Amino acid sequence: KQEVTQIPAALSVPEGENLVLNCSFTDSAIYNLQWFRQDPGKGLTSLLLIQSSQREQTSGRLNASLDKSSGRSTLYIAASQPGDSATYLCAVRPITTSGTYKYIFGTGTRLKVLA
Amino acid sequence: DVKVTQSSRYLVKRTGEKVFLECVQDMDHENMFWYRQDPGLGLRLIYFSYDVKMKEKGDIPEGYSVSREKKERFSLILESASTNQTSMYLCASSSSPGLGSLVSEQYFGPGTRLTVT
Repeated sequence: KQEVTQIPAALSVPEGENLVLNCSFTDSAIYNLQWFRQDPGKGLTSLLLIQSSQREQTSGRLNASLDKSSGRSTLYIAASQPGDSATYLCAVRPITTSGTYKYIFGTGTRLKVLA
Repeated sequence: DVKVTQSSRYLVKRTGEKVFLECVQDMDHENMFWYRQDPGLGLRLIYFSYDVKMKEKGDIPEGYSVSREKKERFSLILESASTNQTSMYLCASSSSPGLGSLVSEQYFGPGTRLTVT
C-alpha cells in the first residue's frame, strides 16, 4: 500500500534562506507527483506537478525534483520570504490496474519564514 | 483558471442533522473528490466520482454519501451528523486525459470548516 511521508513536520527559517522540503513514498509505481501549498484555514493551491518520466519542474523560486527509483521528491525554495509561510503537501498518483485518478497525500511540512 | 467553489466556508450544525456540502467546478472535469482534513491525519479521501452518477468509496466513507447528478456538481451528504465529523472538508476536481495517462492535476476548493455540536 502506497504511503507518503513528509519530514520534518515543521520548519522555521530566517528570511532569505534557501530551503529544501522532503517527500518520500513507498512504491515507485506512480504516474505523477504534485506539490501543494496550504495557507491556514484555506484550500490547497497547486504549485508544481512532475510526471513520472520527468526529473524536475521549476516555477519561479520553486524547483521540485523527483527520484522515482528511490521514492523521493524534494521541493527547493530559493531566497525564502515571510509570504512563503504555509503548509506544503506532496501527493502521488499511484499506478493501479484500474487507472484510478486518486492521489495519496503526505501530512505536510509546516514552514515558517521569519522576517 | 480552474475554479472549484464550495457552498460554505463555515458551517455549524447540530448532532443528528442532515448536512449537505456542495462543490462546483467550472472546467468540465470528469473526476471530483471529497476529502476531510484533520490535524495529524492529513487528507483522507471520503468519496470520489469519475463521471456523472458514478461514485466510488474512498478510505473513510462511513457516515457519508455523495451525489453527482450533473458533471460540474458533487455533493457530500452527512446523513446524521455526529461530533466526530467536525472537520475541514475539501473538494477537488481533475481531468481524465485517458486511462493510464500521466497527467491529471488536482485542483482544490477553499474548504468548508464544519462544526457539529
